Amino acid sequence: GAVVSQHPSWVICKSGTSVKIECRSLDFQATTMFWYRQFPKQSLMLMATSNEGSKATYEQGVEKDKFLINHASLTLSTLTVTSAHPEDSSFYICSARGGSLSGNTIYFGEGSWLTVV
Amino acid sequence: TQLLEQSPQFLSIQEGENLTVYCNSSSVFSSLQWYRQEPGEGPVLLVTVVTGGEVKKLKRLTFQFGDARKDSSLHITAAQPGDTGLYLCAGARGAQKLVFGQGTRLTINP
Repeated sequence: GAVVSQHPSWVICKSGTSVKIECRSLDFQATTMFWYRQFPKQSLMLMATSNEGSKATYEQGVEKDKFLINHASLTLSTLTVTSAHPEDSSFYICSARGGSLSGNTIYFGEGSWLTVV
Repeated sequence: TQLLEQSPQFLSIQEGENLTVYCNSSSVFSSLQWYRQEPGEGPVLLVTVVTGGEVKKLKRLTFQFGDARKDSSLHITAAQPGDTGLYLCAGARGAQKLVFGQGTRLTINP
């Protein structure tokens, strides 16, 4: 089946630095990808919708200048957490929408743990 | 305001018992998906239901989509410790983003 891969699986960065997380669709083209954030023992919170070749659409309350999203190709979207702070530490998950042949099913990546120290 | 109300949010039962998780909304969805998530991993798709009244079975798991496509349920028969995990329902309207329920953290005790 469709596979969505995230990299890195976990990353530790110093406060004030920026960190980039990649989301790739491995065997299908994804015009739309989604970025979520998940706190421990909670459900997924949608941060933004990433559209290939255009600007991302951010959910209310999500800072677009802090969480930069780039969807430069049909198989890759990146989330850059800029000037990271400890409160940005979280589990970040991406998902990608498969094409009409897969019934537009959404597939999730494995997630990326970010720890800001 | 939660668009999709999932209940119960926590459930701990003994091995062999049956259980049902509910996902309710006042909105109509074109499809509804159920996921299972292990700690530290991304959600894994279990099933997608599309048609009102649709019932799908996956071994001991039975999924149902309400006739009005506003609610869904997940029923597990003879639960096993391996069923332990976080179960998430998510609704979609057309090609738009998924809306998630709060999740049900299920623990099956041996």
